[in-house]
Amino acid sequence: NAGVTQTPKFRILKIGQSMTLQCAQDMNHNYMYWYRQDPGMGLKLIYYSVGAGITDKGEVPNGYNVSRSTTEDFPLRLELAAPSQTSVYFCASSYSGQGNTGELFFGEGSRLTVL
Amino acid sequence: SQKIEQNSEALNIQEGKTATLTCNYTNYSPAYLQWYRQDPGRGPVFLLLIRENEKEKRKERLKVTFDTTLKQSLFHITASQPADSATYLCAPLDGNNRLAFGKGNQVVVIP
Repeated sequence: NAGVTQTPKFRILKIGQSMTLQCAQDMNHNYMYWYRQDPGMGLKLIYYSVGAGITDKGEVPNGYNVSRSTTEDFPLRLELAAPSQTSVYFCASSYSGQGNTGELFFGEGSRLTVL
Repeated sequence: SQKIEQNSEALNIQEGKTATLTCNYTNYSPAYLQWYRQDPGRGPVFLLLIRENEKEKRKERLKVTFDTTLKQSLFHITASQPADSATYLCAPLDGNNRLAFGKGNQVVVIP
């Protein structure tokens, strides 16, 4: 199993550009998450999904959108990129929900810089 | 508001000694707490989970304790090795049934 795969690993965007961070998992997990990690800060939840067709906002959803058309894929869309979105983005998945002790499996991260 | 505190200073420790990290949380009572390891440039990796009714959990050289009265979890690495050098993240379950991650505590094991 490849686990959780994120692409791209690195990207530089100009202010106002848009892009999509891709995330795929091959573990047949229902639950998927997007986090961002800023230097010296804890991981912050952006969006999550409990299954195909179902998504919900996390702690810091502004400026982002997600979709979940399949169990495997959970892309994160950035519209009108801003310097405040410079961060490392992590996608994660779990077999069960976090309320049920769901251990998270993380991807390797996507480092985004907005200039 | 809910808050998680991990020591921001790196812990430098001699190889073979026990490293102890602290995770304090305030204003909520998590049903469980998870610990993750994160290496530079990599995603976090799950290590251990401890439930509120468990005092202690062990996995190989790792030991985690959970004191719900003190609102604190301790993470121990016994017989530490240079390969244990990493950042360790504490993640209690918050009031919204989601994991809330601390900033992490870096451990540097000196040969």
